[in-house]
Amino acid sequence: DTEVTQTPKHLVMGMTNKKSLKCEQHMGHRAMYWYKQKAKKPPELMFVYSYEKLSINESVPSRFSPECPNSSLLNLHLHALQPEDSALYLCASSQAGSNSPLHFGNGTRLTVT
Amino acid sequence: SQELEQSPQSLIVQEGKNLTINCTSSKTLYGLYWYKQKYGEGLIFLMMLQKGGEEKSHEKITAKLDEKKQQSSLHITASQPSHAGIYLCGADTGGYQKVTFGTGTKLQVIP
Repeated sequence: DTEVTQTPKHLVMGMTNKKSLKCEQHMGHRAMYWYKQKAKKPPELMFVYSYEKLSINESVPSRFSPECPNSSLLNLHLHALQPEDSALYLCASSQAGSNSPLHFGNGTRLTVT
Repeated sequence: SQELEQSPQSLIVQEGKNLTINCTSSKTLYGLYWYKQKYGEGLIFLMMLQKGGEEKSHEKITAKLDEKKQQSSLHITASQPSHAGIYLCGADTGGYQKVTFGTGTKLQVIP
């Protein structure tokens, strides 16, 4: 079982909907990540939070809005998505600082109709 | 930006056979991770390598980082169906917590 929990496991939403993806970890990690993975492709980094502050935004469209309410929680708010945003969204956490392995959740499979 | 190329792209082996997956970087690697992913699931951390010439083993999986720190290999001995999945190498760009992943290798093990 993974120590990073993501909910929901599956999400289907229309292009006008607003939804949120949630991620929780209790390993005491101070860095948390959102990755997007399309079919048969490697995960692509979207956002990094370090000590609850956004440290990296990989030029992600504003229809994706991350939030880190505390050191254990990470949200990804979704609004006005496009069908091409359908993908597996992965959350990860790690110790802060470089050369710390990421621990991943099992992801949320998002379908935009 | 860091580019990681993996070879082969896919591999089908008979159970009990040994196999090797390679990961080549366009830049010097400061931290190299190996992960395994089953379809539609999260990535499972296998090993991390940092020093040139470093080698680590866990059960039947051995990973090495070459002296120049631009290439890593993952070797599986006596493969089993449980080894099937997608293997991904990932690189830390050094100090920025920005881990990028290689192109992936899909492994199938036939009983």
